[in-house]
Amino acid sequence: ETGVTQTPRHLVMGMTNKKSLKCEQHLGHNAMYWYKQSAKKPLELMFVYSLEERVENNSVPSRFSPECPNSSHLFLHLHTLQPEDSALYLCASSQLWEDRGVHEQYFGPGTRLTVT
Amino acid sequence: KQEVTQIPAALSVPEGENLVLNCSFTDSAIYNLQWFRQDPGKGLTSLLLIQSSQREQTSGRLNASLDKSSGRSTLYIAASQPGDSATYLCAVKGYGQNFVFGPGTRLSVLP
Repeated sequence: ETGVTQTPRHLVMGMTNKKSLKCEQHLGHNAMYWYKQSAKKPLELMFVYSLEERVENNSVPSRFSPECPNSSHLFLHLHTLQPEDSALYLCASSQLWEDRGVHEQYFGPGTRLTVT
Repeated sequence: KQEVTQIPAALSVPEGENLVLNCSFTDSAIYNLQWFRQDPGKGLTSLLLIQSSQREQTSGRLNASLDKSSGRSTLYIAASQPGDSATYLCAVKGYGQNFVFGPGTRLSVLP
């Protein structure tokens, strides 16, 4: 068990649906991340939250909307997705020290998303 | 922009062999480098983290080295076992930047 949990583990949704992915970290970290992993492509960083503020958004389409209500929880709200959005969505957390940068990242098991 | 490559893309070896996985990065101004393991359809498990001031890290049968000047890191796996079969990813963090991941090396260790 990595200390980072994600729900649901599998999700099938239509293009008109609205759904949310949830991530929770039990490690006391102050930074959380959403990554997308598509077949045969490297991991792509989507969003970074540091101390509950979004500090990075890597040109992600607006149909993906992150939310970080506190340092332990991170959500990814999904609406009107496209079939090419089908992928494994991974959440990660780390401890960000101002003077020393980020240390190790710890990942959750991921949510396998299929858009039909 | 940092780019990370991994060679080979796939590797199949008989059980018991020692093997080396390679990771290359284009910008040597890195803060740290992390090696991960990923089983099919699962999340990433951290194996080793090397800070920029370090040359290597060891954990059990795993040894990771870092040569910043040449933009390379290697992951050495001793006495490979079928349970080592997975995809191995390296990720590089630059100063003030987030992690950039390589495409991974898919390892199969045959019994």
